[in-house]
Amino acid sequence: GIQVEQSPPDLILQEGANSTLRCNFSDSVNNLQWFHQNPWGQLINLFYIPSGTKQNGRLSATTVATERYSLLYISSSQTTDSGVYFCAVANSGNTPLVFGKGTRLSVIA
Amino acid sequence: GAVVSQHPSWVICKSGTSVKIECRSLDFQATTMFWYRQFPKQSLMLMATSNEGSKATYEQGVEKDKFLINHASLTLSTLTVTSAHPEDSSFYICSARSPRDRLYNEQFFGPGTRLTVL
Repeated sequence: GIQVEQSPPDLILQEGANSTLRCNFSDSVNNLQWFHQNPWGQLINLFYIPSGTKQNGRLSATTVATERYSLLYISSSQTTDSGVYFCAVANSGNTPLVFGKGTRLSVIA
Repeated sequence: GAVVSQHPSWVICKSGTSVKIECRSLDFQATTMFWYRQFPKQSLMLMATSNEGSKATYEQGVEKDKFLINHASLTLSTLTVTSAHPEDSSFYICSARSPRDRLYNEQFFGPGTRLTVL
């Protein structure tokens, strides 16, 4: 099956810093989603981005499908950005998402 | 976006009892729902795919007789953990995909159910 690798596994930032999270995947996909899992376990949909670039406030994401990677950018990080960020992909419309192991982000004041 | 709810949000039960977890799509109809399990500090692992009106498809290594899934309507799927044991303690999360949403492939996740088996 499709493999998903995320890097870095852990990241500690000072409040106000910028960061880039990476997601590599092993096969072509028609669904790629970025999530933020908050301390209570809720998965928050950040982006649905099988290709192209999107921006939402301080967050943006780019997926280069031909090169099988996606990047999540966080600018001017805040303590509330702390948590685990997951990348998940699927390679057809009927298949479930396969998750990477996540990047654990800690933003300190 | 679309809203998915789960009930209960947490449950504690004795070993040997059964626990039912409900997953509902609140503002859309979902022909397909997925059940995941997450152990502490790990990623989400798919347990099964739940299809409305038909039998669920289980991932390798997941016991279908232990984790009973029923998807009786377009807005409700249930997961029953039968004869629960302490090793079944985990965070269970469901997701749904809407066939009528313009973002056809996007999945939306419930808030999860934390199960503790004593």
